[in-house]
Amino acid sequence: NAGVTQTPKFQVLKTGQSMTLQCAQDMNHNSMYWYRQDPGMGLRLIYYSASEGTTDKGEVPNGYNVSRLNKREFSLRLESAAPSQTSVYFCASSSRTGWETQYFGPGTRLLVL
Amino acid sequence: KNEVEQSPQNLTAQEGEFITINCSYSVGISALHWLQQHPGGGIVSLFMLSSGKKKHGRLIATINIQEKHSSLHITASHPRDSAVYICAATHSGGGADGLTFGKGTHLIIQP
Repeated sequence: NAGVTQTPKFQVLKTGQSMTLQCAQDMNHNSMYWYRQDPGMGLRLIYYSASEGTTDKGEVPNGYNVSRLNKREFSLRLESAAPSQTSVYFCASSSRTGWETQYFGPGTRLLVL
Repeated sequence: KNEVEQSPQNLTAQEGEFITINCSYSVGISALHWLQQHPGGGIVSLFMLSSGKKKHGRLIATINIQEKHSSLHITASHPRDSAVYICAATHSGGGADGLTFGKGTHLIIQP
């Protein structure tokens, strides 16, 4: 039982390049989330998926797109990376949105030059 | 939007001390979460509570709904407790975008 997994662990991009961050969970959770964490700031929600087939914007969605591929997988895509997207990205899942405990992946460190 | 404030931002203590980290929030909530972020970066959920008090080992979390305040206590602190502790609140409207995070308290326990 791996919980929440994320790939890659670390990535360096040049401005304008694209990439997809992958997330998968094996806990049969309905809800999945993408957060970013920047120095001196709390975790901020980028996008979430309350259930398979649905996605919604969070607090900071600009510059990102997401896909809920199936119940297990939720990917985050940067179409044209910018230095402001340098951050640590966390994926999380919970059995349902809002009140349930969220389980976090190990994070992806992204550096955009 | 719910504001979540934590104090202190940084805390250094000696092994064995009793530790208290505070969290206050600005609007009504349905649940309050305490998370631990290890030096390596991983985040673990410690508690989720909507009233009263919860205890797990040496960790105790309390919440006072009327005062919009929660505390996380660590008894007999140990260097392995060194981590960032994050408070997060789900506002009464619920939903994924109702979860607001504090900026974290960086705790160092010295041997």
